[in-house]
Amino acid sequence: SQQGEEDPQALSIQEGENATMNCSYKTSINNLQWYRQNSGRGLVHLILIRSNEREKHSGRLRVTLDTSKKSSSLLITASRAADTASYFCATVPTGSARQLTFGSGTQLTVLP
Amino acid sequence: DAGVIQSPRHEVTEMGQEVTLRCKPISGHDYLFWYRQTMMRGLELLIYFNNNVPIDDSGMPEDRFSAKMPNASFSTLKIQPSEPRDSAVYFCASKEEGLAGSPLHFGNGTRLTVT
Repeated sequence: SQQGEEDPQALSIQEGENATMNCSYKTSINNLQWYRQNSGRGLVHLILIRSNEREKHSGRLRVTLDTSKKSSSLLITASRAADTASYFCATVPTGSARQLTFGSGTQLTVLP
Repeated sequence: DAGVIQSPRHEVTEMGQEVTLRCKPISGHDYLFWYRQTMMRGLELLIYFNNNVPIDDSGMPEDRFSAKMPNASFSTLKIQPSEPRDSAVYFCASKEEGLAGSPLHFGNGTRLTVT
């Protein structure tokens, strides 16, 4: 099964609203990354949060990490139609030589 | 920086044919990854290279799949013979050496359809 699992699978909101997506994972991690994928395109890295960080901001993005609950959330504030995409979390287990494992993603639709 | 370049963008082939997907990573990146994306299974890591050497190919589904990286600027993923269940989008990604947290840079993928 996937290391990271996003919730919800799909989210539809109006432009200007905030969008929150959640990610849960199973093992301890060094860091957690969020990626975005527009239809027909490759994934684009958005933000990385390390295991010793609790919150990180980048523009309209806010990521939180709760290692005790093995979960993370991605908040997009003041959403725009251009934010419509799939969003994935990805992790590398601590002490593992494995590379990034991606969750199943959240499909976000922002209605104009 | 042109980013990770994949070719072709689309490939339609008949079952049993050989398929070769190509990737040019970002110059200076030490790691190269091949992922496969389907609706059913999501993004799966097939194989990755470090300094042109295959490190982990445990995600390669069958012996029909093979990957090579003859030099730092080129990699191929070959499927021979192809089957309809191989239909998917195949992504190549690269990243720099260093901490595990360095981000992946993805190409725009090759959409493979096997009929």
